Parts: sequence; structure tokens; C-alpha cells
Amino acid sequence: GAVVSQHPSWVICKSGTSVKIECRSLDFQATTMFWYRQFPKQSLMLMATSNEGSKATYEQGVEKDKFLINHASLTLSTLTVTSAHPEDSSFYICSARDQHSTFISEQFFGPGTRLTVL
Amino acid sequence: KQEVTQIPAALSVPEGENLVLNCSFTDSAIYNLQWFRQDPGKGLTSLLLIQSSQREQTSGRLNASLDKSSGRSTLYIAASQPGDSATYLCAVNTINQAGTALIFGKGTTLSVSS
Repeated sequence: GAVVSQHPSWVICKSGTSVKIECRSLDFQATTMFWYRQFPKQSLMLMATSNEGSKATYEQGVEKDKFLINHASLTLSTLTVTSAHPEDSSFYICSARDQHSTFISEQFFGPGTRLTVL
Repeated sequence: KQEVTQIPAALSVPEGENLVLNCSFTDSAIYNLQWFRQDPGKGLTSLLLIQSSQREQTSGRLNASLDKSSGRSTLYIAASQPGDSATYLCAVNTINQAGTALIFGKGTTLSVSS
């Protein structure tokens, strides 16, 4: 149980284009999903927290107009990188919190999406 | 601001050794602490979760301890195997503007040789 999927697993795009990444909780309902970014040899950095049916809360330094997050259902959140540039190339990982989890704030992670912007 | 530090950054050991990975955090006001494993280019696999009220958790050859007052956790791996080679991440669950957030360390990259 508690499986989170991401699509696509990797994507290459041209500079200036937009890319959408999907995060799905497959066997549980997630009222809250999280988006992280990981640069090579670095730790995971939280970008934003999304709650189903409401606006996402972005961490300091993350441009909300560049990284659009939509959490339209209890099993799906999307991250759209708008007008992507080479510096946006990174590993993007989502996680989801099972609303019925017995552990406070336990998160289940997706496999990640490798974005390369040329 | 919560900061998580992991020592060492990298570790190489021969198969069969017992080893300890260290994690420290600056703010003791945490909900819980998790240890994850990350293989190259892959997502995270949760290994152990310790609630703030707990002192340790065990799963197979893994044992994690938590000393919240001193801001420290250790992950003990017994009888290491080549398949244990990966990056191990420590993360603390703490309060942020959105509710709670996981703050990660940079990880310890473990290499176990056969």
C-alpha cells in the first residue's frame, strides 16, 4: 500500500517551453501533497505544499508564477514548470500524505522526474 | 530555522561490517524523524520513522535511535551487504507555514564492497 507514482519519469525540453509533471497516489487519498527539487549532490528542498481544492503554499524563494501547482483531486497533483530554462534542470520528487495514516505527517514519495532543459 | 546535518558525507566499508550513520538537527521541536534510502537517479524509500516520543525503531538489520533533546539520531546497519550501497537521507518533520514539512539532510553515500 501507500504507492505514489509520477509521470513522466524523465523529460527533455527546449528552453522557453512548459512542462507538466503529474503525481498520483494510487491506493490512498491524499489531502496534502508536497513537491521537492533535488540538484546533483544536494538534499531535497521543499518547493511547495499543495492541499486538495486550495492554493498551494510556496516556500521562500520559489516563484509561484513559474512553478504552477494544481491539486484538483484527492489522488492527483500537477506541477507545471513554465518557460523552463536550463537552470530549472533538476530532479523533481513529489510526496503525498495519507489522510488516514496513523503516523503524524508521514509522507510517501514518488519515484521522481528528471527534467533536462536544453 | 531547522537545519539537518549528516555525517559522514560518504562511507566505504567491506561487506559484513556494522556501521553507524549520524544525523543532527538544530531545533528539537519536531514531530518525527525519518530515515530514507535513495538509489542513484531514483526516488526515496522510507526505512524507519521515529515519532518524537520514541527512542528507537528497528527493522531487520536496521536500527534507528532518536535523542530529541540533543538533536541527534543514528542509523545502525548490521552486517552490511553490497545491496546496502545507496545514499541514506535523514529528515525531520517540523512546523512550517503550511503546517508541517520534512527538512532533509544532504545524505550519507554508502558503498559496501564484496
